Amino acid sequence: DVKVTQSSRYLVKRTGEKVFLECVQDMDHENMFWYRQDPGLGLRLIYFSYDVKMKEKGDIPEGYSVSREKKERFSLILESASTNQTSMYLCASSSGDRVYQPQHFGDGTRLSIL
Amino acid sequence: DQQVKQNSPSLSVQEGRISILNCDYTNSMFDYFLWYKKYPAEGPTFLISISSIKDKNEDGRFTVFLNKSAKHLSLHIVPSQPGDSAVYFCAASARLKGGSEKLVFGKGTKLTVNP
Repeated sequence: DVKVTQSSRYLVKRTGEKVFLECVQDMDHENMFWYRQDPGLGLRLIYFSYDVKMKEKGDIPEGYSVSREKKERFSLILESASTNQTSMYLCASSSGDRVYQPQHFGDGTRLSIL
Repeated sequence: DQQVKQNSPSLSVQEGRISILNCDYTNSMFDYFLWYKKYPAEGPTFLISISSIKDKNEDGRFTVFLNKSAKHLSLHIVPSQPGDSAVYFCAASARLKGGSEKLVFGKGTKLTVNP
């Protein structure tokens, strides 16, 4: 069974702080993703990675960066947190097999920026 | 520009009846379509998918239908159960570099199944 673990369920930070959100998967998946979910907007892709040290921008990368130093870990970094980054953040992973495999999600981190 | 649309924010049905959730898309290049279920305070859980070359996929009480000419898919839940009450997200998959994919999500439909 796929397990995607996000380090914090709830996080409260202050404007201007540098914030790290961590995600670990235990299925040796090649692909990892960061989304944010906001009411009325669904899930939007921030960044993704298809291999160690590889990263690609999603639809809303502004204000964020990512790091993937190891295959199982994908970190989302808010360089200087702002109130409009208050959101639910979801990490996902998937296999890079030729046969299609769906993305599996963690339980999310609800981040509040004060 | 919303590529995946779920036009009904909410749906309410009686236990034992059929639930039909609808989704429309605009991009013909999507090659897979998926449905995820999400409970409050949990991440989305994969439910069922369909390849763009098929028109139906069934898994127990859940069936997804794809109409490519209309760019429309639907999820049927029969019979509906109170435990099915959740937000359902429709998603479409587009291939990216490195063998990865991009999932484009709809805004979700909140299903309530009344006992």
